[in-house]
Amino acid sequence: GENVEQHPSTLSVQEGDSAVIKCTYSDSASNYFPWYKQELGKRPQLIIDIRSNVGEKKDQRIAVTLNKTAKHFSLHITETQPEDSAVYFCAASPADYKLSFGAGTTVTVRA
Amino acid sequence: EAGVTQFPSHSVIEKGQTVTLRCDPISGHDNLYWYRRVMGKEIKFLLHFVKESKQDESGMPNNRFLAERTGGTYSTLKVQPAELEDSGVYFCASSHGAVDTQYFGPGTRLTVL
Repeated sequence: GENVEQHPSTLSVQEGDSAVIKCTYSDSASNYFPWYKQELGKRPQLIIDIRSNVGEKKDQRIAVTLNKTAKHFSLHITETQPEDSAVYFCAASPADYKLSFGAGTTVTVRA
Repeated sequence: EAGVTQFPSHSVIEKGQTVTLRCDPISGHDNLYWYRRVMGKEIKFLLHFVKESKQDESGMPNNRFLAERTGGTYSTLKVQPAELEDSGVYFCASSHGAVDTQYFGPGTRLTVL
């Protein structure tokens, strides 16, 4: 089955700086890569996703890049704000419905 | 649009007892998924329903876990008898089509003592 590794497990950044989270996957058949954000006490929410026919996708301050050859994808958050503090999960899916998640990255934005 | 709801939010039971978790998906979503996150590890897939049919239950840990979705609306996940290693947060998610965004519920935190 699919195996997703996520790094780092914790990330502390100064407000206004950028944050980068990296994930690798094992199944070359994976074609869908969503990122979920889970704030303390709340449900995981999709913040951005990318499919394998695209190399990069942006939405305001967040962007995701995908390198299919190397089987890794990354989340980039620019101009971080306190409300970006949360746990971020990457996931990969070879069949669009069965998501395999990374272990999560706890991001803390220091004011 | 109301989101995915789960009940209860927390459950604390003794080893050997039975617990039933409930998930109400977003109205009209045929696809329903159960996931579990154990002690800060990754969120793991348990199973997938399309309407009332189990499409994939390859992630179910063992036969102590039973999921149902009678009528294709809400779903229940029963653990009987519960063991210590079953502790974790159980998430339910739903999507309109299998290739659509999965919307997650808030989770049920299960603690087995």
